[in-house]
Amino acid sequence: NAGVTQTPKFQVLKTGQSMTLQCAQDMNHNSMYWYRQDPGMGLRLIYYSASEGTTDKGEVPNGYNVSRLNKREFSLRLESAAPSQTSVYFCASSESGVLTDTQYFGPGTRLTVL
Amino acid sequence: QKEVEQDPGPLSVPEGAIVSLNCTYSNSAFQYFMWYRQYSRKGPELLMYTYSSGNKEDGRFTAQVDKSSKYISLFIRDSQPSDSATYLCAMTLGWSSASKIIFGSGTRLSIRP
Repeated sequence: NAGVTQTPKFQVLKTGQSMTLQCAQDMNHNSMYWYRQDPGMGLRLIYYSASEGTTDKGEVPNGYNVSRLNKREFSLRLESAAPSQTSVYFCASSESGVLTDTQYFGPGTRLTVL
Repeated sequence: QKEVEQDPGPLSVPEGAIVSLNCTYSNSAFQYFMWYRQYSRKGPELLMYTYSSGNKEDGRFTAQVDKSSKYISLFIRDSQPSDSATYLCAMTLGWSSASKIIFGSGTRLSIRP
C-alpha cells in the first residue's frame, strides 16, 4: 500500500517549457488535491477534484491545468513554465471532500524554473 | 495581512521540555482548526483537529483554540528528538470545506538531545 505517489521527485525547467506532474493514490479515495508550498507562504491549493470526472480551481490556479484521468490519478500540467512557478508541489487525497476525512499527502515534487 | 499568521522559528528546545506552538488568524468565521507535522522533504501529515473553542488532547499533544482572541496553540509535552519537524496550523470555515483549508506558513521546531 504505497499511499500517494508523485513523479518526478525533482525537475528543472527553462522558462517557457511545459511539463506534467503525475500523482496516483491506491487508497480508493474520491477527492484529490494539488498544492504548492513556498517559503513564508504555507500550502496553497492550486486545483482539486472532489470526485472522478470533476475538477475545480483553488486559490492559485493561474498557469496550471489538471486532469483527473481516473479515480487513482490526478495530474498537474504547466503549459509554459515561469520562474514564479518554482516551488514544491504536493498532491493529496482524501476519502471525500469533507474536513473530517484526513488528507494524505505525497512526498512532493521540487520544481525549479530557470 | 495574511489570514493566518505563524512564527516561522526556528524554535530550539532541549529534550523533555514542553513546547508551545501558536497561530493567530483574522477571520472570525473559521470553525475547524488543524495541526499538521511535516518532516524535512516529506509531505504534511495531520496531527489533530478541533472544532470551535476548547482543548483536545492526544497523547503528548494538546491543541487549544481561543476563538475570542483568534489564537490557537499546540502543546507538546515531554518533547522528543523525533518531534523535530515543521508544524503547520490550518483552519477552515466548515466541515464541507476540505477544499478551502487555509494553512499557516509553518514553525520549524528542533528538539536537542
